[in-house]
Amino acid sequence: AQTVTQSQPEMSVQEAETVTLSCTYDTSESDYYLFWYKQPPSRQMILVIRQEAYKQQNATENRFSVNFQKAAKSFSLKISDSQLGDAAMYFCAYRRGLSGFGNEKLTFGTGTRLTIIP
Amino acid sequence: NAGVTQTPKFQVLKTGQSMTLQCAQDMNHNSMYWYRQDPGMGLRLIYYSASEGTTDKGEVPNGYNVSRLNKREFSLRLESAAPSQTSVYFCASSARTGALTGELFFGEGSRLTVL
Repeated sequence: AQTVTQSQPEMSVQEAETVTLSCTYDTSESDYYLFWYKQPPSRQMILVIRQEAYKQQNATENRFSVNFQKAAKSFSLKISDSQLGDAAMYFCAYRRGLSGFGNEKLTFGTGTRLTIIP
Repeated sequence: NAGVTQTPKFQVLKTGQSMTLQCAQDMNHNSMYWYRQDPGMGLRLIYYSASEGTTDKGEVPNGYNVSRLNKREFSLRLESAAPSQTSVYFCASSARTGALTGELFFGEGSRLTVL
């Protein structure tokens, strides 16, 4: 079974600085998707960024980017120019890439709580 | 523009009581899921339904039942609630094809407390 590990339960960063959240995963598959979800105090789960394993280029969405190291099975999230609204719980998630029933379900890590210091 | 709607948002039960969490999506997604979120545990899959008429167990199915009533609706039932089922429950849905394949769309969550 696939596992996702987030080894940093809590992180903090000064406003406007850059922070990197770590995620590692374990899989024997070669085709898969990786995701970062954000959960602010409102509890809503919001997709931040996604990465397809077959793509070598790291995904970027505005101030959010990933460092995808397939061989090392590492998928870290970098937040640049941190803003107060970035304060949230961040979850890393994995999904198998093969189509078929049941492959769409995500396996989540335990999360990293990010605090932004004004 | 509702997306995924789950009810109720909050519920307090006594041990042994039963209840059903309702979930509906209006995005024409084939797949639907129920997760529970506990502190320090992340989100863990309870049950999922890859299509209308099919359901499968996830990581933590014990104490729960589900019904995929139609393509839109996927309910989660607690037959005899236990304090260990105190949690926040999330319903989600996803498409199997297209540009957003694999992305889960979540409801707002339901906080359940079992006394």
